[in-house]
Amino acid sequence: DQQVKQNSPSLSVQEGRISILNCDYTNSMFDYFLWYKKYPAEGPTFLISISSIKDKNEDGRFTVFLNKSAKHLSLHIVPSQPGDSAVYFCAASSHGGKLIFGQGTELSVKP
Amino acid sequence: DTAVSQTPKYLVTQMGNDKSIKCEQNLGHDTMYWYKQDSKKFLKIMFSYNNKELIINETVPNRFSPKSPDKAHLNLHINSLELGDSAVYFCASSQAGGTLNQPQHFGDGTRLSIL
Repeated sequence: DQQVKQNSPSLSVQEGRISILNCDYTNSMFDYFLWYKKYPAEGPTFLISISSIKDKNEDGRFTVFLNKSAKHLSLHIVPSQPGDSAVYFCAASSHGGKLIFGQGTELSVKP
Repeated sequence: DTAVSQTPKYLVTQMGNDKSIKCEQNLGHDTMYWYKQDSKKFLKIMFSYNNKELIINETVPNRFSPKSPDKAHLNLHINSLELGDSAVYFCASSQAGGTLNQPQHFGDGTRLSIL
């Protein structure tokens, strides 16, 4: 049973527009959520995180929103750039335990 | 100056063979992990070591045996390789089990192909 789901395998966005990547989870005990970015033939790299006590965290062009009642989080990238083209993984953990990853969304930003 | 390095990057071998993947981190972290990314792209944790002690051991066949000679190294040995072991294996490290401001850092992966 997959506790973290990214239902969109791919997303295509025009350069300069907003990219919105979505993630749903089922375990209400998750208290820490992260987004990782992965380029081909490389390992995932940490992008941004959010604690369950917050509903928003912003870092430059990247903002993560958490809706606990809906068990949903999203990553907004504004403005999107071609270099943002990558696979984005959502991950969650409970009380510092193991990370549970979604299956990733491939973002393509077209010039 | 690679933070988490794993070797080899590619591994092609026959079914039934035994192989090892090595991982080293120079970040001074105390916790290391092995993940498997299967054909469906899910990244699933296999093992986690903290200061050379096993702390997470998921439901993994006992053909897989991790070994941590020191806290900077975590190797993965696989016996009697099977077709289903074909995947990309990622090593990662973090400080203090991976808290809010100290996420896991990943190596570039080892792509294992079983013929």
